[in-house]
Formats: sequence, structure tokens, C-alpha cells
Amino acid sequence: EPEVTQTPSHQVTQMGQEVILRCVPISNHLYFYWYRQILGQKVEFLVSFYNNEISEKSEIFDDQFSVERPDGSNFTLKIRSTKLEDSAMYFCASSLETGQETQYFGPGTRLLVL
Amino acid sequence: DAKTTQPTSMDCAEGRAANLPCNHSTISGNEYVYWYRQIHSQGPQYIIHGLKNNETNEMASLIITEDRKSSTLILPHATLRDTAVYYCIVRRNYGQNFVFGPGTRLSVLP
Repeated sequence: EPEVTQTPSHQVTQMGQEVILRCVPISNHLYFYWYRQILGQKVEFLVSFYNNEISEKSEIFDDQFSVERPDGSNFTLKIRSTKLEDSAMYFCASSLETGQETQYFGPGTRLLVL
Repeated sequence: DAKTTQPTSMDCAEGRAANLPCNHSTISGNEYVYWYRQIHSQGPQYIIHGLKNNETNEMASLIITEDRKSSTLILPHATLRDTAVYYCIVRRNYGQNFVFGPGTRLSVLP
């Protein structure tokens, strides 16, 4: 069964450093998403992406964040200058189309900012 | 999107049916009811969704009341591996993101 994959599974970085989290969505999916979950808290939406542009973003997704689909398979989330409060699990998801189409989530990347 | 209310936690004996309730009294006509679960810190896993009719798949059954103000997710024979946080989410048609609440922490006990 096709699945969303994410790399790395864990990332430790120093405050102020840039990190890039990578995702490979399900191959025929057209919509891509990033969510995050701070330890012990709810899963929160960050951004959705379609047709090479952001279609929706939350208040969390400020200028420090960017997303890109650099080739036909990868979808990346970049945090330009990490802060301590960026420590969280980051989940990528994809869906065949928006509307009521189901989103399928990857296993997540655990980011720890020191 | 309509708000949902779920119990904070529930226990279920292994092998028995787990019935997880969800209230969504402000649901509108074009909103679907979705269920996901999250095992430990893994990515949310899709379980099932429905609009009006009851639905069943290999994982679970979804029972939606006639007025659509509440629903129940049924895991027919719970196993220890079903221990997870279960999220009931009401999502408008053509919405693009899911809004996760705190969910119900289901503990399946041996």
C-alpha cells in the first residue's frame, strides 16, 4: 500500500540554524500539507500546497517557514532560523484532491532545537 | 468547521467492542465526519469517514445519528494495538486542512 515517507526521522539542531525536513508524498497525490505537534499538545495545521504554490497557511507559518516541491517527488519544509519553540513532531500529509478527500500522514520528523 | 466534543479517555477490554462517541451538534449539511487515530507519537492514521449513512471498512464502523449531531466509532474486536488517541473531526467540503482536537485516549486492557 502506498504511503507517505519522511526524512529524517529525528533531527537535532542548534538554535538559529536552518533545517530542511523532507517528505515524499503518495505518488499520484496532488495536495500536500505540513502539520506539527508540540510534545503533549494537539496536532496543528501549518500549510497546504497545490500546483506549486501555497493554498492555505496558518498563523504559525510565519516568514521563518517555507515550503517547496523541488522535483516531482519531494516536498520540503524549511525553517530558516530555528527557535527553541520549533521543537516538535512535524508531519507531512498528502491527498488526491481537496474537498472531502482523505489526507494520509507520514510517520513524522522529530525536531529538537537546542 | 463545526466543533466536536469527545470524552477525554476510555478503557476497553481486549476482544470486546470499543465504542467511541463524538458530539458535533453544529455540523452543517456539507460537512463530513472523519476519524483518525494516533498511536503513541506516530503520524495520524485515517480510519473512516462518512456524511450521512453508516459506514464500515476493515478497521471500523461509523454510526452517524439521523440528525447528524453525533456519531460513534466502533472497533468491533479491540486489540492491545488499538490503544491510541482517537480524533473525531468534522470537516467542511472543499476544506483543505484538518483541525485536530485533544481526542479520546483509548486504552485497551488485557
